[in-house]
Amino acid sequence: DAGVIQSPRHEVTEMGQEVTLRCKPISGHDYLFWYRQTMMRGLELLIYFNNNVPIDDSGMPEDRFSAKMPNASFSTLKIQPSEPRDSAVYFCASSLSRERETQYFGPGTRLLVL
Amino acid sequence: AQKITQTQPGMFVQEKEAVTLDCTYDTSDPSYGLFWYKQPSSGEMIFLIYQGSYDQQNATEGRYSLNFQKARKSANLVISASQLGDSAMYFCAMREAPSGGYNKLIFGAGTRLAVHP
Repeated sequence: DAGVIQSPRHEVTEMGQEVTLRCKPISGHDYLFWYRQTMMRGLELLIYFNNNVPIDDSGMPEDRFSAKMPNASFSTLKIQPSEPRDSAVYFCASSLSRERETQYFGPGTRLLVL
Repeated sequence: AQKITQTQPGMFVQEKEAVTLDCTYDTSDPSYGLFWYKQPSSGEMIFLIYQGSYDQQNATEGRYSLNFQKARKSANLVISASQLGDSAMYFCAMREAPSGGYNKLIFGAGTRLAVHP
């Protein structure tokens, strides 16, 4: 079975540009999570969805960040405008259900904002 | 206050030996879950093992076992017969269960394990 798929794997952009990260969860999983990993702050949950509906976005750092899940097999995390401090690895994860809540992670997108 | 504490920033072990990675947690919720993930240098996060707070026995998955001591609030990962491929960062995580909300995962800072030949 295919795992969580993320694209792009690497992104280099200039400050002020829009960045869009993409995620395809494991088929049948009804929860989707976006995390950010930095050396300073470790792994942080940004937002999660249940059945395509955003449930908790309290981890989104500021209004420059937005996330959508238009259908069960696709989600985006957008940063507009990007800043150097947004440089990090962004992970998408999905899980099957509330009972068996093991989260399976994608390979991550390594973002560098110059 | 930190909810997941991994006190060992780095650990070394000889190949084929066993190693224990420490994890302590803090929660007042009687129902919770504890997870270990491995992050090799390639960057992906790999799920290793899960322990539920009501599970009577310690979880095991192949060479991985979880030494769950509920009263001490510790959930140490034991890797038996270490292999060179075990060299990676290891994260302990806890499922937090706020009332009415989904069970979020809180991650520790991680322990970097180096396996020497």
